[in-house]
Amino acid sequence: DVKVTQSSRYLVKRTGEKVFLECVQDMDHENMFWYRQDPGLGLRLIYFSYDVKMKEKGDIPEGYSVSREKKERFSLILESASTNQTSMYLCASQSAGEVETQYFGPGTRLLVL
Amino acid sequence: AQSVTQPDIHITVSEGASLELRCNYSYGATPYLFWYVQSPGQGLQLLLKYFSGDTLVQGIKGFEAEFKRSQSSFNLRKPSVHWSDAAEYFCAVGAGAGKSTFGDGTTLTVKP
Repeated sequence: DVKVTQSSRYLVKRTGEKVFLECVQDMDHENMFWYRQDPGLGLRLIYFSYDVKMKEKGDIPEGYSVSREKKERFSLILESASTNQTSMYLCASQSAGEVETQYFGPGTRLLVL
Repeated sequence: AQSVTQPDIHITVSEGASLELRCNYSYGATPYLFWYVQSPGQGLQLLLKYFSGDTLVQGIKGFEAEFKRSQSSFNLRKPSVHWSDAAEYFCAVGAGAGKSTFGDGTTLTVKP
């Protein structure tokens, strides 16, 4: 079974803090994704990566950055957290290919005070 | 640009009744289409996907979906709903290079 784990299920941070969300997959997948999920807005793509040290912006990259130093690990960084970044963050991994399934982690619910 | 519309935000059905969740997409070429399910507190899990061939696709947990090009639809169906099917359901269309564009989701409530 593919396993995608996220470092925290719940996180509470203060405005202005630097926040790291980590995602690890165990299937040697090439592609990894970070989404945020908000009620009524579905999933919105923040960043994705096709390979180590490669990253591309998704639909809503502002206020976020990412790091992929190892194939199995994809980190999302909030340089200076703001209250409007309070959300559910989902990581996914995928084998290379157009119709490959995305495998999701359980999510991190982030509250920024 | 591709887009997905799930017209129903919330659907309630009785246990044992049939279910149909609607999905309409907008995409210039032949689409790759997916249905995912998200149980409370969990990530998304793939139910089924369509990329070519037979327009009726079978998935896990007894779900199926039918691709209708003329209607730009990919509706999800199940003949008899179980209480454990209560969840949020997302339709998605492939957006190139492995990415997907997701709909806003439909929340399914199952009445005993």
